[in-house]
Amino acid sequence: GAVVSQHPSWVICKSGTSVKIECRSLDFQATTMFWYRQFPKQSLMLMATSNEGSKATYEQGVEKDKFLINHASLTLSTLTVTSAHPEDSSFYICSATPRAARGELFFGEGSRLTVL
Amino acid sequence: KNQVEQSPQSLIILEGKNCTLQCNYTVSPFSNLRWYKQDTGRGPVSLTIMTFSENTKSNGRYTATLDADTKQSSLHITASQLSDSASYMCVVRGGSYIPTFGRGTSLIVHP
Repeated sequence: GAVVSQHPSWVICKSGTSVKIECRSLDFQATTMFWYRQFPKQSLMLMATSNEGSKATYEQGVEKDKFLINHASLTLSTLTVTSAHPEDSSFYICSATPRAARGELFFGEGSRLTVL
Repeated sequence: KNQVEQSPQSLIILEGKNCTLQCNYTVSPFSNLRWYKQDTGRGPVSLTIMTFSENTKSNGRYTATLDADTKQSSLHITASQLSDSASYMCVVRGGSYIPTFGRGTSLIVHP
């Protein structure tokens, strides 16, 4: 089946540093990628929708200067958490919709960010 | 406004018992509905996908139903196992293929 890979799967960083998380569709071209964050025992919260070659659309309350999203190719989207703070510690998940099957939605395995 | 409501919020059952999770939605127009299972610390994994014309779909011990008229779906788990302990999420996609997520049902299966 279709695979969406996230890297890194976990990362620990110091407060004030920036962290980049990659989301790759390994065997399909993704027209749209979604980024979510999830706090413990809570549901997924959509952060932004990213279409290849265009600017990401952010959900209300999500700071676009804080969470930089780049969707430079049909197989790669990146989320950069800038000047990370402890409250940014969370589980970040991406999902992707194949160009050839817009009704499908495949999730990555998630990336756990811990900011010290 | 497109919404997906799931119930119950959490559920605890004994191993071997059956259970049913509910999903009500207001997404329109309707494209498809998926049930996902998310283990703690992992990404969601698709269990079933249902389109407008499908009423029932099974995947092993998981059986999903869809009533497009009442905009309701259910996920029935038969003979639960400890490994079924997870969060189950209902995701509905509308005409623009933008997904609307339910808040999930947390299922705990006790031995």
